[in-house]
Amino acid sequence: SAVISQKPSRDICQRGTSLTIQCQVDSQVTMMFWYRQQPGQSLTLIATANQGSEATYESGFVIDKFPISRPNLTFSTLTVSNMSPEDSSIYLCSVGPGLSYEQYFGPGTRLTVT
Amino acid sequence: GENVEQHPSTLSVQEGDSAVIKCTYSDSASNYFPWYKQELGKGPQLIIDIRSNVGEKKDQRIAVTLNKTAKHFSLHITETQPEDSAVYFCAASSLNGQNFVFGPGTRLSVLP
Repeated sequence: SAVISQKPSRDICQRGTSLTIQCQVDSQVTMMFWYRQQPGQSLTLIATANQGSEATYESGFVIDKFPISRPNLTFSTLTVSNMSPEDSSIYLCSVGPGLSYEQYFGPGTRLTVT
Repeated sequence: GENVEQHPSTLSVQEGDSAVIKCTYSDSASNYFPWYKQELGKGPQLIIDIRSNVGEKKDQRIAVTLNKTAKHFSLHITETQPEDSAVYFCAASSLNGQNFVFGPGTRLSVLP
């Protein structure tokens, strides 16, 4: 499976600011995804990061709040914009190698908004 | 859209006993069912998966069974060990392996 890293691993941010989370994979992958995991909860898909085109967002998530970039096949960023305490969550990227259905997750970014 | 339920929400077993976690899904088009283990402070780790053309899959102490007619699948862990303690998530997917819908999770505690 691919080795996935995320930066930062955690951060504490003030209300109204923005944070950009990076996801780096050690090999080229077809699919990259961003998930949110609220405290003590399950995982919810935010969007699919498409290389060379705009991300595909799930219901309830919009580009203005969660802009995503995917400049190449090994890297993606998720920005959490104009943050509020309700955005406090773990943000996870995952990758799908493209040869099968599996998705592998990064270690996550733990975000606290005060 | 797809909805995945998972039971129980918490499970405590004695070391060496077996643990079973069950999930049900709503979309008959779902055809891929992975299980993830998440330890505290870490990302989810894929431990086993099954496709709709298979009824059972086993990997050492863990196994997954799928009943497509009833739309449910289960994770079985035998000879549990303290390091099996974690939160386990099931998921279902129906769009070429994308768009995973996760269950709410089961917190498994293995008591020494």
